[in-house]
Amino acid sequence: DTAVSQTPKYLVTQMGNDKSIKCEQNLGHDTMYWYKQDSKKFLKIMFSYNNKELIINETVPNRFSPKSPDKAHLNLHINSLELGDSAVYFCASSQPGGSDTQYFGPGTRLTVL
Amino acid sequence: DQQVKQNSPSLSVQEGRISILNCDYTNSMFDYFLWYKKYPAEGPTFLISISSIKDKNEDGRFTVFLNKSAKHLSLHIVPSQPGDSAVYFCAASAGGGSNYKLTFGKGTLLTVNP
Repeated sequence: DTAVSQTPKYLVTQMGNDKSIKCEQNLGHDTMYWYKQDSKKFLKIMFSYNNKELIINETVPNRFSPKSPDKAHLNLHINSLELGDSAVYFCASSQPGGSDTQYFGPGTRLTVL
Repeated sequence: DQQVKQNSPSLSVQEGRISILNCDYTNSMFDYFLWYKKYPAEGPTFLISISSIKDKNEDGRFTVFLNKSAKHLSLHIVPSQPGDSAVYFCAASAGGGSNYKLTFGKGTLLTVNP
């Protein structure tokens, strides 16, 4: 029973296209996140949502728009894809509050050609 | 600006011996530290954590040590097993609450040889 799932696992697309990555968690958590792992292997937070409300936006370009239809889902839509968007994107979730563990999805490897 | 640093990109140890993975941080506001383990093509999996009010936390074969004055933490795995071979990420957070976020190091690839 997957706790945090992401679709698709792999995404290959052309520059300029618009694409979405979906994330769902069945842990009953209130907070969800998107992280990006770039070619240098750094995992960096992009967004966090608490109960469908945007909490953190780490100076991510406007081309990235997260959408949370309910607290179990946090989707990531990317407009006008650029070569530099190629990375692995991880969704995560946690209960709200300071020191709670974040549970990660398996990642989506995005390749922009 | 790397606030969490893992200066060893890789570490190789023999099965049964101790693995020591190190992590340094620069942000004195960090008050909670975690280690995650990651296998290829999978997401990071939580391993163990420690609050800044403690200097040691143990869970089975895994122990995390925190030296606040040196802004240094380490993960000890004893005894190491081949299944421990993975990338280990150190992460830290500050303050918590609804603004909670993790800052990750670059990871250390641990290889445990049979």
